[in-house]
Amino acid sequence: AQKITQTQPGMFVQEKEAVTLDCTYDTSDQSYGLFWYKQPSSGEMIFLIYQGSYDEQNATEGRYSLNFQKARKSANLVISASQLGDSAMYFCAMREGMWRDKLIFGTGTRLQVFP
Amino acid sequence: DTAVSQTPKYLVTQMGNDKSIKCEQNLGHDTMYWYKQDSKKFLKIMFSYNNKELIINETVPNRFSPKSPDKAHLNLHINSLELGDSAVYFCASSQGPGEPWPQHFGDGTRLSIL
Repeated sequence: AQKITQTQPGMFVQEKEAVTLDCTYDTSDQSYGLFWYKQPSSGEMIFLIYQGSYDEQNATEGRYSLNFQKARKSANLVISASQLGDSAMYFCAMREGMWRDKLIFGTGTRLQVFP
Repeated sequence: DTAVSQTPKYLVTQMGNDKSIKCEQNLGHDTMYWYKQDSKKFLKIMFSYNNKELIINETVPNRFSPKSPDKAHLNLHINSLELGDSAVYFCASSQGPGEPWPQHFGDGTRLSIL
């Protein structure tokens, strides 16, 4: 079974609009972490935002926020005020357990921002 | 200064050859990783080392051998390269498990097998 599911292979958004990229996860661990990474066409992997399973507040980093709904096991990335430079692949990832250090990635969502 | 650097960036070689990819991090992290990204962009962990000790060894063919001479370096040696080894290989580092530290990735090495 997929541990991390990203159901949107591609998304389009107009510049300056907000966009939500979906991520659902599956784990029986009580302690886990959720990450979002951006991969532009140049290929590097850029860390965006982190949410811990015990964090009560949704994480935010600048224009990125994570809509964490623990009961639904979802960790959606919200990008506000999209910019052309946001066009990239976005990956959701999970680290299960406090001491296991393996990131499990979803299949990614390709976001295209148009003027 | 590049935090996690990999060399080479591109590697084109023939089937059956042996090749190495080098990785260095200057972040002072204790843990380093190798990931493989296939042609469909799917990323999967291969290995992780913590303070030069092998921690994670996923179901990777034993033609792949990681080596960590010190905690700032983690190299990947691949013997008898096969067509299916064509992929982008990413090195990453973090402060390790037990805390919510992100993994910082290098820019990747694109390996193409002819």
